[in-house]
Amino acid sequence: EAGVTQSPTHLIKTRGQQATLRCSPISGHTSVYWYQQALGLGLQFLLWYDEGEERNRGNFPPRFSGRQFPNYSSELNVNALELEDSALYLCASSLGGMELNEKLFFGSGTQLSVL
Amino acid sequence: AQTVTQSQPEMSVQEAETVTLSCTYDTSESDYYLFWYKQPPSRQMILVIRQEAYKQQNATENRFSVNFQKAAKSFSLKISDSQLGDAAMYFCAYRSFGGGADGLTFGKGTHLIIQP
Repeated sequence: EAGVTQSPTHLIKTRGQQATLRCSPISGHTSVYWYQQALGLGLQFLLWYDEGEERNRGNFPPRFSGRQFPNYSSELNVNALELEDSALYLCASSLGGMELNEKLFFGSGTQLSVL
Repeated sequence: AQTVTQSQPEMSVQEAETVTLSCTYDTSESDYYLFWYKQPPSRQMILVIRQEAYKQQNATENRFSVNFQKAAKSFSLKISDSQLGDAAMYFCAYRSFGGGADGLTFGKGTHLIIQP
């Protein structure tokens, strides 16, 4: 069974550009979480999607946005990139809806570098 | 809001020895889950062990065990017979029993070094 897959593995952008990161959850999982892992700061919660709807967002500016598609894959968009957006972005999936539970499975992340 | 604190930025242990990683948390909830995740250089977060707060028995997974002290809000991870492959960042994490709109709340991690 395929795990959570994220693309691209690495992404290099310049200040002011937009970045799009993609995540495919484990088959059967309808919940997708996005986290930012900046150096020395641990993992910070960004967004939660469940069954196609945004359910919650963390303490990040509106230029961080995303969506979840009918097949439950998800996209994270970061507009007007700033240097401090450089980080590893991790996606995690879990059973969702009425089966929402505590086990999150993570992908290997997208390393975003903003120059 | 819940918080998770890992007070040891880095730990070092000799191969085959035992090491304990510390974690404390703050919550007003009575039911919740606690986790230890491992993040090797491949960057993927791997679940090591999971504890349900309503269970008094400490969770064990092979060489990994926890010391869960609910009243003290402490959740330490013990790794026995350390192996070179255990070298990684270890994150302690909390999740509300109801699922948790934030998913998991993480500590800042402990970098574990295994000395051959």
